[in-house]
Amino acid sequence: RKEVEQDPGPFNVPEGATVAFNCTYSNSASQSFFWYRQDCRKEPKLLMSVYSSGNEDGRFTAQLNRASQYISLLIRDSKLSDSATYLCVVNQAGTALIFGKGTTLSVSS
Amino acid sequence: DGGITQSPKYLFRKEGQNVTLSCEQNLNHDAMYWYRQDPGQGLRLIYYSQIVNDFQKGDIAEGYSVSREKKESFPLTVTSAQKNPTAFYLCASSNRQGYEQYFGPGTRLTVT
Repeated sequence: RKEVEQDPGPFNVPEGATVAFNCTYSNSASQSFFWYRQDCRKEPKLLMSVYSSGNEDGRFTAQLNRASQYISLLIRDSKLSDSATYLCVVNQAGTALIFGKGTTLSVSS
Repeated sequence: DGGITQSPKYLFRKEGQNVTLSCEQNLNHDAMYWYRQDPGQGLRLIYYSQIVNDFQKGDIAEGYSVSREKKESFPLTVTSAQKNPTAFYLCASSNRQGYEQYFGPGTRLTVT
């Protein structure tokens, strides 16, 4: 089983749509969780950390379910500028971050 | 401005040559990392360093070497022993191991 698994997509949605990405991780000892955004041929950039209580940043909402080892990212009112690859990232205690392969989002007008 | 710089942005080399990629950060971060990304693939960890003068191998260290003589600098050497060196190389740093990482703009290496 892969350590961090994401649906690669692509997700093709119209502007204004709501889209949700899911991610599962295999190590129950994982402690920190993040979503990164990567634009084509650019470096990944931190989008948001994911807390146990869930957290929201504008149009973006992240949820964590430790029992199911599952992380989600919800994007509301999608913009053209949201088109990118979204990386699910997990930390296993005392080690480097583990990156998923990413889910590609394409928002069209 | 605080941040991570990598140079050069694009690098071309002939097969059989060693090449060193630069990574500098002024964020005062203790930990630094090198990743490789191939088209359509996720990031794979090459080497990481938690403190000066110490570093550990990641998942794909063969054919690569690093040094950490200064807190700000973590250069990566791609040796001729690396079988498929053409890739996008990303350097990152974090305040501590396991905390969120911040990336440099990357170096695209092409070896022919």
